[in-house]
Order: sequence, then C-alpha cells, then structure tokens
Amino acid sequence: AQSVTQPDIHITVSEGASLELRCNYSYGATPYLFWYVQSPGQGLQLLLKYFSGDTLVQGIKGFEAEFKRSQSSFNLRKPSVHWSDAAEYFCAVGAGDYKLSFGAGTTVTVRA
Amino acid sequence: DAGITQSPRYKITETGRQVTLMCHQTWSHSYMFWYRQDLGHGLRLIYYSAAADITDKGEVPDGYVVSRSKTENFPLTLESATRSQTSVYFCASSIVPEGRAYEQYFGPGTRLTVT
Repeated sequence: AQSVTQPDIHITVSEGASLELRCNYSYGATPYLFWYVQSPGQGLQLLLKYFSGDTLVQGIKGFEAEFKRSQSSFNLRKPSVHWSDAAEYFCAVGAGDYKLSFGAGTTVTVRA
Repeated sequence: DAGITQSPRYKITETGRQVTLMCHQTWSHSYMFWYRQDLGHGLRLIYYSAAADITDKGEVPDGYVVSRSKTENFPLTLESATRSQTSVYFCASSIVPEGRAYEQYFGPGTRLTVT
C-alpha cells in the first residue's frame, strides 16, 4: 500500500528566506505526486503536480518541487517566502482507482 | 464558474442524530471523493465515486453512507452521529483521462461538531 511521510510537522521561516518542505513516499509503481496548500479556514488548493517527464516541476505562487526516484522524495521549495505563504502544506501520492493518499501535513509559520 | 460547493459550511449536531453533508460540482467530473481532516492525520478518504450510481469505500467508511444519483451531487450521511465524527469534511472531484484523474479539486469544507 502507498504511504506519504512529511517529517516536519511545523516549520518557522523568516519572510524573504527560502523554504523547503520534505515529502517521502512509498509506492511500488511510478507515482503521481502532488502538493496542496491549505490556508486557514479554506479548502485545499493544488500547488503543483508530477506525472512524468522533467523531474523539476513548477507550480503556482512561485513554488517548485523536485522528484527524486532514488530517494522516494518530492520536496517542495520556494526561494523567498512571503507572509501570505503561511499555511498548511500537504503532499499526496496517486494510488490505485484514482485515489490520493495524503501526508499528515506541514504547518508553515512566517515571521516578519 | 461555481466549481465545487459544500453545504452547510458549519454544523452542530447531537450524538445519535442523522446529518447529511452536501457536495455539488458544476464541472461534470466523473470522480468525487469525501475526506475527513483531523489534526495529525492529514486527510483520510471516507468514500469515493467513479460515476453516478458507483461508489466504494475508502480508508475510514464506518458510520457513513453515500449516494450518487446524479453526476453533480455526492451527499455524505452520518446515520447516527458520534463525537468521534467531529471533524472537517472535504469533498473533492477529479476528471478523467488517465493521469489527470488524480488531480483533485476541493470544496471549501464543512466543519461538523457532534455534541
């Protein structure tokens, strides 16, 4: 069965600093990988996705993620965070029957 | 473009009561999903549907019932609510074809409190 691990429960970063959120997955086949963001009181918004091809994918809001098959990882990065990036971030892997398995999430706090 | 909507947004109910959460999407997406979100667990799949009249269990289906008579609607019913079902519930939908079918779009959520 597939699973997703987000090792960091909470990350605090200064505005303007870089951000990296870790995601490790366990899945037997080639995965479909996603990052979602959830602002307080809101639903989940898709940031970016990896299906195949170039292992560095660009998303919305200046985010990017790199798929590393050898490390079973799909880490999310942003070079310079803004206060509006404070949110909860979820990594997800596409499993069978078009279902997604989600990690437990990483909460990002941005300090001025 | 209304997208995917959920109602009610907030609900307080008592233990033992039946409650139905509504989900409606305007995209004619084939697949629809119900998740619950609890602290420390991320999102867990309750039920999903591949098309009208086709539903299947997810990871945590006990205590929930779903139906899908029309493509655009996917209601979730708690037949006899328990305190452990206090949670935030998200509905999602996704399109086909292959690959993009995993790309799910989420509603705003329903915060349910069972007292």
